[in-house]
Amino acid sequence: DVKVTQSSRYLVKRTGEKVFLECVQDMDHENMFWYRQDPGLGLRLIYFSYDVKMKEKGDIPEGYSVSREKKERFSLILESASTNQTSMYLCASSLSRGLGNQPQHFGDGTRLSIL
Amino acid sequence: AQSVAQPEDQVNVAEGNPLTVKCTYSVSGNPYLFWYVQYPNRGLQFLLKYITGDNLVKGSYGFEAEFNKSQTSFHLKKPSALVSDSALYFCAARRPSGGSYIPTFGRGTSLIVHP
Repeated sequence: DVKVTQSSRYLVKRTGEKVFLECVQDMDHENMFWYRQDPGLGLRLIYFSYDVKMKEKGDIPEGYSVSREKKERFSLILESASTNQTSMYLCASSLSRGLGNQPQHFGDGTRLSIL
Repeated sequence: AQSVAQPEDQVNVAEGNPLTVKCTYSVSGNPYLFWYVQYPNRGLQFLLKYITGDNLVKGSYGFEAEFNKSQTSFHLKKPSALVSDSALYFCAARRPSGGSYIPTFGRGTSLIVHP
């Protein structure tokens, strides 16, 4: 079974801090994704990556950046955290860039609070 | 625009009764469609997908989904609901993004199964 592991389940940070959220997958998947989940808004894509050192903006990239130095690891960075970035963050992976017919595998999420 | 709509925020059903969670889509090209389930404080889990072929797709935990091209719908169904089916359900469809395909999600439907 694919396992996607997010480093923290709960995180509390202060406004203005630089915040790192880490995600690791163990099945050699090419694609990795970062979403934020807010009540009533569903999942919104922040960034995704289809290869090492490659990244693509999703629907809401403002205020975020990402890093993918190794195939199994995809990091989300909040450059200067703000209270409106308080949310649940979900990482996902999928097998290949190809036809889009592969399901995503999700981590259990990081609930981030910015005070 | 590529979109997925889940018209119901919440669906209530009595245990043992059939359930339906609705999803309609608007995507270009062949519609690759997915259903996921999210239990409290967990990530999303893949239930089933439609790529091509039979319009009735069977998935995990006794769920199935009916693809209807003329109505652009992909409704999730189960003949007999269980209390343990209570969760948040997301419909997703692929959409093109550069040379990749990425999922776009509906806003989610909360399913509540009453004993």
